[in-house]
Amino acid sequence: NAGVTQTPKFQVLKTGQSMTLQCAQDMNHNSMYWYRQDPGMGLRLIYYSASEGTTDKGEVPNGYNVSRLNKREFSLRLESAAPSQTSVYFCASTRGGTGGHGYGYTFGSGTRLTVV
Amino acid sequence: KNEVEQSPQNLTAQEGEFITINCSYSVGISALHWLQQHPGGGIVSLFMLSSGKKKHGRLIATINIQEKHSSLHITASHPRDSAVYICAALQGAQKLVFGQGTRLTINP
Repeated sequence: NAGVTQTPKFQVLKTGQSMTLQCAQDMNHNSMYWYRQDPGMGLRLIYYSASEGTTDKGEVPNGYNVSRLNKREFSLRLESAAPSQTSVYFCASTRGGTGGHGYGYTFGSGTRLTVV
Repeated sequence: KNEVEQSPQNLTAQEGEFITINCSYSVGISALHWLQQHPGGGIVSLFMLSSGKKKHGRLIATINIQEKHSSLHITASHPRDSAVYICAALQGAQKLVFGQGTRLTINP
């Protein structure tokens, strides 16, 4: 089925370890996003890619890097995980591009990350 | 003060009741999104509004641009409507600013 696929669904890391969260969409969407969701707070934008070949910082980019590997895939990397990065991470995509306001968003199922 | 405020934060109602969730925003927007987050955590896009009103099944979303206010209504509520409903304001082309969500519980 068409949609946004995130892997893994769950992960436990030790402080200082690194990992990459994978995200792929098969809807030919231009724009892709990484958000984190913490208890009592709304979703917050970490990084986004408005179109293939571009990436930009969002609201909370510190401690993360991203790669827009191709139009389908947008990965999020934690180089040295910290307990403050314990969160649920969501990838999303939209047809978007520079005119993104006209289209709805499709979200992945989320990755629950715990850093101990 | 958050740029996007939702009320109420929690809402419990009986099956069949008419539900209203409110969203106020303090920023200029290009669109307003309503999302539903299931108890299992998945997020589904319900509506995208830039003006007026949209209806899908038992769900209705309205927006008043001048008052910077949007509402999500659920008619004939059902226990399967129990979820967290999230309002998100789109600033420009890329920046979604999210409300904290309204946790809705519908009792049979």
